[in-house]
Amino acid sequence: ETGVTQTPRHLVMGMTNKKSLKCEQHLGHNAMYWYKQSAKKPLELMFVYNFKEQTENNSVPSRFSPECPNSSHLFLHLHTLQPEDSALYLCASSQVMIPSSHEQFFGPGTRLTVL
Amino acid sequence: GESVGLHLPTLSVQEGDNSIINCAYSNSASDYFIWYKQESGKGPQFIIDIRSNMDKRQGQRVTVLLNKTVKHLSLQIAATQPGDSAVYFCADRSPTGAGSYQLTFGKGTKLSVIP
Repeated sequence: ETGVTQTPRHLVMGMTNKKSLKCEQHLGHNAMYWYKQSAKKPLELMFVYNFKEQTENNSVPSRFSPECPNSSHLFLHLHTLQPEDSALYLCASSQVMIPSSHEQFFGPGTRLTVL
Repeated sequence: GESVGLHLPTLSVQEGDNSIINCAYSNSASDYFIWYKQESGKGPQFIIDIRSNMDKRQGQRVTVLLNKTVKHLSLQIAATQPGDSAVYFCADRSPTGAGSYQLTFGKGTKLSVIP
């Protein structure tokens, strides 16, 4: 285990649903990230939070809404998604933002399917 | 890191043989490189890293080679075992020009170990 947990592990939702993905890290890290991993594509950084403040939004559509209530928890709120949003959503954390060492730990991901 | 082509490259290796996985990157300003292993159903896991002032770094059964002249990175796995079967991808860190850094990930290579 990496110390980063994600729930749910699998999610199937319709395009009109609203759902949330949850990430929790038990490592005392200050930076947390959401990534999207689509089949046969590189990891895409979506959002970065550093000390609970959003520092980066990589042109992510507004149907994805992140929330970071504290340094240990990160949410990704989903609404009116499209089928092309189906992917593995990975959460990661690191002691410092964009780490200078290997200290970026990933959770197991949430496999999202949008019908 | 980048991988060319539309399909995830695959590498099949006999158990006990050595594996070599390659990665190309495009930014000559990249100063730090990471190799990740991602097993089925799991998030990426750090394997080994290397800074741009080095050309070789060894870990336990793994070696990373960096050739900055041709912007090429390789991961060598000695005595490949069935547990090494996974997708391996590289990432390179480069400055954004605003005092921050970004990580660019490759698409990955799927390693299959034949018992």
